[in-house]
This record gives sequence, structure tokens and C-alpha cells, in this order.
Amino acid sequence: EAGVAQSPRYKIIEKRQSVAFWCNPISGHATLYWYQQILGQGPKLLIQFQNNGVVDDSQLPKDRFSAERLKGVDSTLKIQPAKLEDSAVYLCASSLDPVGRAKNIQYFGAGTRLSVL
Amino acid sequence: GQQLNQSPQSMFIQEGEDVSMNCTSSSIFNTWLWYKQEPGEGPVLLIALYKAGELTSNGRLTAQFGITRKDSFLNISASIPSDVGIYFCAGLYNFNKFYFGSGTKLNVKP
Repeated sequence: EAGVAQSPRYKIIEKRQSVAFWCNPISGHATLYWYQQILGQGPKLLIQFQNNGVVDDSQLPKDRFSAERLKGVDSTLKIQPAKLEDSAVYLCASSLDPVGRAKNIQYFGAGTRLSVL
Repeated sequence: GQQLNQSPQSMFIQEGEDVSMNCTSSSIFNTWLWYKQEPGEGPVLLIALYKAGELTSNGRLTAQFGITRKDSFLNISASIPSDVGIYFCAGLYNFNKFYFGSGTKLNVKP
């Protein structure tokens, strides 16, 4: 079974530029998550989709971050414009079970490492 | 948001030694997960716990879901060099959102 695919693996941009990340979850997984992991910290949830609907985006800086999962499969996360403090690894995860189930195991992709100069 | 306090922050041990780490919170969690992350990779699931008091093993790894539902523990027996990495706990809060600890960085000296 293929895992969670993310691209690109690395991205370097200057502040105020835009950037987009792509994620393809494990086939059949209903729930998709985007996390931000700053160096030395644990992942922090940015947004959570169930199929193509947003379940939780309470920690997404909506003035500059946006995400979509139009067909309920793959997803894109965009930052516009980027700030220095956005430098981090952006992880995508997916889970088979919908939100609300105890056995909601998340499987992670390798992440996109973003450097904002 | 919820806070998960993970300790120790880092460990330096000799190959063959046993390792213990834990994750605590002031809130009750429904599920506890333990992940390992290596440089340049995403977290990889090690063990999942669903019931208070549950004790689950995965090879040399054993984890427990605390009785109070506010903590979890991970033990690694007879450590080997490939155990090196950062270990994260994650708790499912209110059945709908995961929170992660800040990680325990494990270094194993051959």
C-alpha cells in the first residue's frame, strides 16, 4: 500500500513570496491533516479535512494560509505571502476513520521543508 | 489548545540500556499514539493505545495508557543504535483533534 505522498520535499523562497504544497493521502482515507512542525517542536495541526469538508481550521493563520481538498482526495496548502516565521516542515497525514472515532490513527508523509529567507 | 508535557527532552544512553519516557497532561485523552521521527522524514507510528490501563508491545517497545487517561508511557528495552531519533506522543482530545508532545530526542552510543 502506498503511503502519504508530498511534494516538493524542499522549498526555499523569499519573504512575501507565495508557495504551495501538495499532498496525496493513502487511498481510501477519508480524513486528511496538515501540520506545521517548527524545528525542535512537535507537529501542530493547521487544518483537518473529512472528505472535502473542513472539520477544524482553528489554528490556521487564515490571513496568509489557505488549503483545499476539492475532490476529497489530494490537497494543497498555500502560503501567501510568506513570512520568516513560516520556515518549518509542513507535514500531511491521513487516516482511514472519520473524525470522532477513537481508532483514528494518522499516517504521515515525509513532509515539505520550507525555508523563508 | 491542550498541552502535552513530554519528558525527558533528550536522553544519551549506552547501547543495551533500557529507556523510559512519558507524556502527561492536565486533560483527559481518548487515544494515545507514539511516533518515531528520523531526520528528514515524517513521524512513523510505533504503538496505538485506546483504553485506560492498556499495555501494548511492539517488539522491544512497550507503551501504556495511563489509568487517569491523562498520561502515557513508552519503554524501549535493550536499546540499539537504530533506535536513535525523536519520539513523539500524540493524544486524541475529545475524539476529534490530536495534540503532540514536544518530543524526546534519543541518542544511543554503541
